[in-house]
Amino acid sequence: DQQVKQNSPSLSVQEGRISILNCDYTNSMFDYFLWYKKYPAEGPTFLISISSIKDKNEDGRFTVFLNKSAKHLSLHIVPSQPGDSAVYFCAAHQSPLNAGKSTFGDGTTLTVKP
Amino acid sequence: DTAVSQTPKYLVTQMGNDKSIKCEQNLGHDTMYWYKQDSKKFLKIMFSYNNKELIINETVPNRFSPKSPDKAHLNLHINSLELGDSAVYFCASSPQGWWGYTFGSGTRLTVV
Repeated sequence: DQQVKQNSPSLSVQEGRISILNCDYTNSMFDYFLWYKKYPAEGPTFLISISSIKDKNEDGRFTVFLNKSAKHLSLHIVPSQPGDSAVYFCAAHQSPLNAGKSTFGDGTTLTVKP
Repeated sequence: DTAVSQTPKYLVTQMGNDKSIKCEQNLGHDTMYWYKQDSKKFLKIMFSYNNKELIINETVPNRFSPKSPDKAHLNLHINSLELGDSAVYFCASSPQGWWGYTFGSGTRLTVV
C-alpha cells in the first residue's frame, strides 16, 4: 500500500540545466505536500512545501507544482548546481485526523554534473 | 548546537539483545517522531508523540517501546532484536500545526 511514489530512482542533469523530480500519490485526502533533501549520513532536511489549495509554490531556485486532478506533484530546480546532488523525498500529509504523520516516497537520487 | 540529536550514530549488536536509541531536540517543538528507513529506502513512521503523549503508533512489533520523559526527549527501546530490525532509524520533531519535520542524522542499526 504505497500511497506516495517516486517512480524515478535516479536523475542526472548537467549543471545549469533544469532538474525535474516527480511524485505521485493515491490518497485524495492528502492536503499538504513537502519535499525533503537528504545528503549521505545525514537526516532529510525540509526544502519546500505546498498546500493542496495551491498549484504552485516558489522559493528561489526551487518550485513545486501540484496537479490535484492527476494526483501528481513535481519539484523543479533551476538552475541546477552540483551542491544539489542528493536524494530527494516527497512527502504527503493528511490533517487533521492523522496529525503528525507524513507519508514518504522512496526517494530520487539527483546527480548534477559540473 | 544540533537541533535534533540522536545517539548513537551507529549500533551493531547481536540478535536477541536489547538496545536503546536516544533523541533530544532543542527547538521547543511539540511533536516528536520515530521513522524507520529500511533497505528499500522508504521512510516509514513508527511513533509520534505530542507533548509526551503517544498519538501515533503504527503497526510496529511490541518489542519496540518509545518513551518520552519530557517534550524534548523521545527514546526508542528495542527488545529481543531481530535481523529484520536492521535499518536506519530517524528521530524528527515539528512545531504545532506545521508538518515540516526537522530530522536527526539517523542511527544505523545492524543486527548480526
